[in-house]
Amino acid sequence: KNEVEQSPQNLTAQEGEFITINCSYSVGISALHWLQQHPGGGIVSLFMLSSGKKKHGRLIATINIQEKHSSLHITASHPRDSAVYICAVRRTDKLIFGTGTRLQVFP
Amino acid sequence: DTGVSQDPRHKITKRGQNVTFRCDPISEHNRLYWYRQTLGQGPEFLTYFQNEAQLEKSRLLSDRFSAERPKGSFSTLEIQRTEQGDSAMYLCASSFPGDPWNEQFFGPGTRLTVL
Repeated sequence: KNEVEQSPQNLTAQEGEFITINCSYSVGISALHWLQQHPGGGIVSLFMLSSGKKKHGRLIATINIQEKHSSLHITASHPRDSAVYICAVRRTDKLIFGTGTRLQVFP
Repeated sequence: DTGVSQDPRHKITKRGQNVTFRCDPISEHNRLYWYRQTLGQGPEFLTYFQNEAQLEKSRLLSDRFSAERPKGSFSTLEIQRTEQGDSAMYLCASSFPGDPWNEQFFGPGTRLTVL
């Protein structure tokens, strides 16, 4: 069993829909990261959180430390949000990644 | 561009050949990480350096793999006697230890294909 599990693996949506991606982990962590990966490989950091909730524009990330669970929400989704979204947990100085959720948003 | 750079971006090699990849981190970052990503999977940790010291290596890093960061700046990852199973995207990231979140900044990756 992977230490970091994401669901769903694939997600398609119509433009404007509300998106939720889930991440569960089984190990003790110091922080949880959400990252975005576009075709070709480039990975950028979206959020880093250790408790509660953070919001950047249309993106919201939440974490429940007791339940070892985090969610990434995208409000009013847009085709440019199409990418792979990866959850990663930080243990000591390294990241342990989930397998990613491939999101496609259609106009 | 002052981001993390990797060279080459693509490498095609025949089984049994040696390959070497280079990563140049963001200049003030003294932590440097190597990850491997296969199709449909998330990145997997390989190794990391703080300055020139290699602090941790994954069990994924077999004896055919070696990484160096001789002057604490750029790093190289060498794979000897490549196998088809080594085909993957090799990602480098760097971070600044003064950052409490240890945010990692990723390079574009080197895609290795072993024929």
